[in-house]
Amino acid sequence: NAGVTQTPKFRVLKTGQSMTLLCAQDMNHEYMYWYRQDPGMGLRLIHYSVGEGTTAKGEVPDGYNVSRLKKQNFLLGLESAAPSQTSVYFCASSWYGNGDTEAFFGQGTRLTVV
Amino acid sequence: AQSVTQLDSQVPVFEEAPVELRCNYSSSVSVYLFWYVQYPNQGLQLLLKYLSGSTLVKGINGFEAEFNKSQTSFHLRKPSVHISDTAEYFCAVMDQGGSEKLVFGKGTKLTVNP
Repeated sequence: NAGVTQTPKFRVLKTGQSMTLLCAQDMNHEYMYWYRQDPGMGLRLIHYSVGEGTTAKGEVPDGYNVSRLKKQNFLLGLESAAPSQTSVYFCASSWYGNGDTEAFFGQGTRLTVV
Repeated sequence: AQSVTQLDSQVPVFEEAPVELRCNYSSSVSVYLFWYVQYPNQGLQLLLKYLSGSTLVKGINGFEAEFNKSQTSFHLRKPSVHISDTAEYFCAVMDQGGSEKLVFGKGTKLTVNP
């Protein structure tokens, strides 16, 4: 039972490079989220998805793009990385129904942009 | 849009002392409320959640929280903490039947000293 798996776990990028972070969940959840965590800032929502083929902007979407082509995968892309995007990125998936909901988190991806 | 304020960024306590971590939220509609815990270099795991009904919610590891609609608060409490409770704690809010956005506060770092 893998839950939510993030790939890669660590990455160092040079300014201007691009990369894609992969989030995969095996719980058949409809909703998926990407957050970034910075010291003293908590978790800030970048983008989220309420189902396959849908995406929506969160609190801090600039500089990021996302895609949800398959229900189980949610990709976060950085087209031209900047040092301000150095952060720990967390993916989450959640279910919702009958007045109940719960989100499950991956272990995080530590990204450094130099 | 919903938002969360965690009033204390750091809370130091001695082992076996009681602790309260404060959380206030803002929303124009009814909400679901959550407390998550993050141990060093790990993802987030759910401590407890308020969906509806009883305002006192019990969670894992002896934690409980009380929902107060008039004060828009959801404070987390534990009557006697252990060294192993040292972690960062996040309060989160989601609007009921709405946007499915899960928004977090900035976190409270709880340090339990011997």
